[in-house]
Amino acid sequence: AQTVTQSQPEMSVQEAETVTLSCTYDTSESDYYLFWYKQPPSRQMILVIRQEAYKQQNATENRFSVNFQKAAKSFSLKISDSQLGDAAMYFCACYYGGATNKLIFGTGTLLAVQP
Amino acid sequence: DTGVSQDPRHKITKRGQNVTFRCDPISEHNRLYWYRQTLGQGPEFLTYFQNEAQLEKSRLLSDRFSAERPKGSFSTLEIQRTEQGDSAMYLCASSLASRRNHEQYFGPGTRLTVT
Repeated sequence: AQTVTQSQPEMSVQEAETVTLSCTYDTSESDYYLFWYKQPPSRQMILVIRQEAYKQQNATENRFSVNFQKAAKSFSLKISDSQLGDAAMYFCACYYGGATNKLIFGTGTLLAVQP
Repeated sequence: DTGVSQDPRHKITKRGQNVTFRCDPISEHNRLYWYRQTLGQGPEFLTYFQNEAQLEKSRLLSDRFSAERPKGSFSTLEIQRTEQGDSAMYLCASSLASRRNHEQYFGPGTRLTVT
């Protein structure tokens, strides 16, 4: 079965500090895509960053970057210079393509940003 | 690009009633997905369409659930004889099949409460 695991239900970070959210996944597929989505309270899911499994270079988007360890099936999200607006639920997700065209989500990590 | 829209945003219904939700995807997107999200969990895949064809359905989608996308544009999700266990956020997402990045863009969701 294809699974995505987020082992940190909650995290907290001080404003302007750096925080890393963890994610592991399990698949036997060779072609897949990994995503981090942000879901602020009562607001819609927003794509934060994407990583293609065939790319070795870690993706970056402004203050957001990933550490993609393919052999370890690990895909962590680093948020630098945390801002109050970063407070949200963060979901790691994997798109496997092929015979199935759906996102498999983890259970999420609730990030609090302390002023 | 007006984004993915969903209607209604909230629905309260009594057990046993039928409900229907609507999703309007991003206009040029040919894939449309429905997910269900319960409190404290990540979204779970229900079904997806490519144009008007429903190509995959989850086992979560019992025979009380039906989804349509009649002209390959908007989609409806109907739940018949609602049960309290159907209470959840129903999310719609869309994507463009030709884009290799497989990014899915989410709507704001319809929150269903079954009393």
